[in-house]
Amino acid sequence: DIVMTQSPDSLAVSLGERATISCKSSRTVLYSSNNRNYLAWYQQKPGQPPKLLIYWASTRESGVPDRFTASGSGTDFTLTITSLQAEDVAVYYCQQYYTTPYTFGQGTRVEIK
Amino acid sequence: QVLLVESGGGLVKPGGSLRLSCAASGFRFSDQYMSWIRQAPGKGLEWLAYISHTATTIYYADSVKGRFTISRDNAKNSLFLQMNSLRVEDTALYYCAQGSPFEHWGQGALVTVSS
Repeated sequence: DIVMTQSPDSLAVSLGERATISCKSSRTVLYSSNNRNYLAWYQQKPGQPPKLLIYWASTRESGVPDRFTASGSGTDFTLTITSLQAEDVAVYYCQQYYTTPYTFGQGTRVEIK
Repeated sequence: QVLLVESGGGLVKPGGSLRLSCAASGFRFSDQYMSWIRQAPGKGLEWLAYISHTATTIYYADSVKGRFTISRDNAKNSLFLQMNSLRVEDTALYYCAQGSPFEHWGQGALVTVSS
């Protein structure tokens, strides 16, 4: 199984400041035949189901604010919230859909400092 | 808009069975891959099972293989999860989700396994 490891487990950031979350996979999730990274990011607010933010490692889902940016390839990925807003308080998960079993990172809780 | 509504959750004793349903609307259900994902109280997300649009390809997590069965009825725009031999550790909120990656999620059905 591909193990997804996020860091940190939690972080507190001031409003308007940058929040950065790392996600590392135990094996590559880059499919060489199409040069796509099978890596997604989700946001889960309290009492809600997860919401897809990013797919193919860096493509924002429709309607996701452009303060959410993501990058990386192979085994190392990053999600950045460039200017944290109050509504961004949530738990963020990375997930690989390269192969089954599909696996998620353990989650990173983002709070306001 | 896309709507996924799970039902069938509840309280069951260890060793018991439950069948979850997911009613889909707002998209062409018969064209979409579907999955079940769960979240234990206060914990992270665990993918459980995947079914292709024609049900010809099915995958399971090892934690539920042999106990859970995913199925679908494209004529009724419905996804199912038959859960047998339930354990205390199966207690969780169970989500159905559309696509790969998981583009849309339902609100979840709570399954509690307790004596």
